[in-house]
Amino acid sequence: SQQGEEDPQALSIQEGENATMNCSYKTSINNLQWYRQNSGRGLVHLILIRSNEREKHSGRLRVTLDTSKKSSSLLITASRAADTASYFCATDASGGYQKVTFGTGTKLQVIP
Amino acid sequence: KAGVTQTPRYLIKTRGQQVTLSCSPISGHRSVSWYQQTPGQGLQFLFEYFSETQRNKGNFPGRFSGRQFSNSRSEMNVSTLELGDSALYLCASRSLPNEKLFFGSGTQLSVL
Repeated sequence: SQQGEEDPQALSIQEGENATMNCSYKTSINNLQWYRQNSGRGLVHLILIRSNEREKHSGRLRVTLDTSKKSSSLLITASRAADTASYFCATDASGGYQKVTFGTGTKLQVIP
Repeated sequence: KAGVTQTPRYLIKTRGQQVTLSCSPISGHRSVSWYQQTPGQGLQFLFEYFSETQRNKGNFPGRFSGRQFSNSRSEMNVSTLELGDSALYLCASRSLPNEKLFFGSGTQLSVL
């Protein structure tokens, strides 16, 4: 079963615009991670935010985490055609050795 | 450092056969996880091994099994293949729990 649900399922924007993706999850977590997947390939880790952090930046990426609402958002600024991919949030549940569970993903298309 | 290596990249089998997939983690990583990805179900967790012990198991039938060797390499076996087992199987490694995952390129399994 999926731990997270992502919204929107698909997003199409023009190059240069910002893209925002949201993730909601169900249980208490140690951390939340975002990954990118180009078609049919393995996932690439983008950013990890721990449960005691509220915001994190990495280059053009900004991630927020609201543990009270069990939600996170990923913002990609000044998007490029190369950002076209599927984006997944993933959670490491708290309490001992837990598995990493992935959300349903957002398919982003950046139009040149 | 070499990345996570999965073999084979593509595999075609017929119903009823069995298959073994292999995963070599990043050097020094003792945790290996396996995921099944399909268009309908998304990324589903199969199992995770840490230091040769299965730490977590997903909700899959007993036909799906795995193991990890002393050098941290892992294998996944699916017996009595069904059409619904057609999927991209992804392996990921990490150094410790609650750290980011590094993914291989996956094995695309087609069951005819």
